[in-house]
Amino acid sequence: EVQLVQSGAEVKKPGESLKISCKGSGYIFSNYWITWVRQVPGKGLEWMGIIYPSDSETRYSPSFQGQVTISVDRSTSTAYLGWSSLKASDTAMYYCARHPRGCTSSSCHLENWGQGTLVTVSS
Amino acid sequence: QSALTQPPSVSGSPGQSVTISCTGTSSDVGYYNRVSWYQQPPGTAPKLMIYEVNSRPSGVPDRFSGSKSGNTASLTISGLQAEDEAVYYCASYKGSSPFMVFGGGTKLTVL
Repeated sequence: EVQLVQSGAEVKKPGESLKISCKGSGYIFSNYWITWVRQVPGKGLEWMGIIYPSDSETRYSPSFQGQVTISVDRSTSTAYLGWSSLKASDTAMYYCARHPRGCTSSSCHLENWGQGTLVTVSS
Repeated sequence: QSALTQPPSVSGSPGQSVTISCTGTSSDVGYYNRVSWYQQPPGTAPKLMIYEVNSRPSGVPDRFSGSKSGNTASLTISGLQAEDEAVYYCASYKGSSPFMVFGGGTKLTVL
């Protein structure tokens, strides 16, 4: 069974750094693209960026480029989403999700989702 | 403001059918048959219900169906059940970053 298990909720202060995780199991982690999605409380879903674990190829939404860093550790089948200096506006639920066949003109959908990690940034 | 436009809410009685629309542009919904739909009950992660306009993942009831005409995709839920109450999001491949765009979500209320 494919599973994506995310790290627990975080409470941080503005300016602090943070890295949240998403551990894949039940499949060959390196072979499937992982996307990160943001959901501000009470709002919709926003595509942040995508990474291919096999070679760490990463693409960011222009809205998040330079604001976050997406990375992977193939040895632990874990994807990461990181911030170097959090802002109050980063307060949101963050989901990782797996593309079964990548994200191209041939196929682009999210088949498996993590349970979400709530990040709260407040002074 | 979301890239794809959905109605904020729809409602229906048990057993009835409802349709949720999702309007994009000729650069996303209208150009690619890569529209997907996600169901998100309160406090849970989204769940894939439809992909590539009208394909259902295994385990999704055939009461859920998808279609597309021009720049507008639609999700139809027939034989409404109380458990269908959730927010539904559409998404489309876009060809350039951001490669995937979402609608603002539609809250389905089963009366």
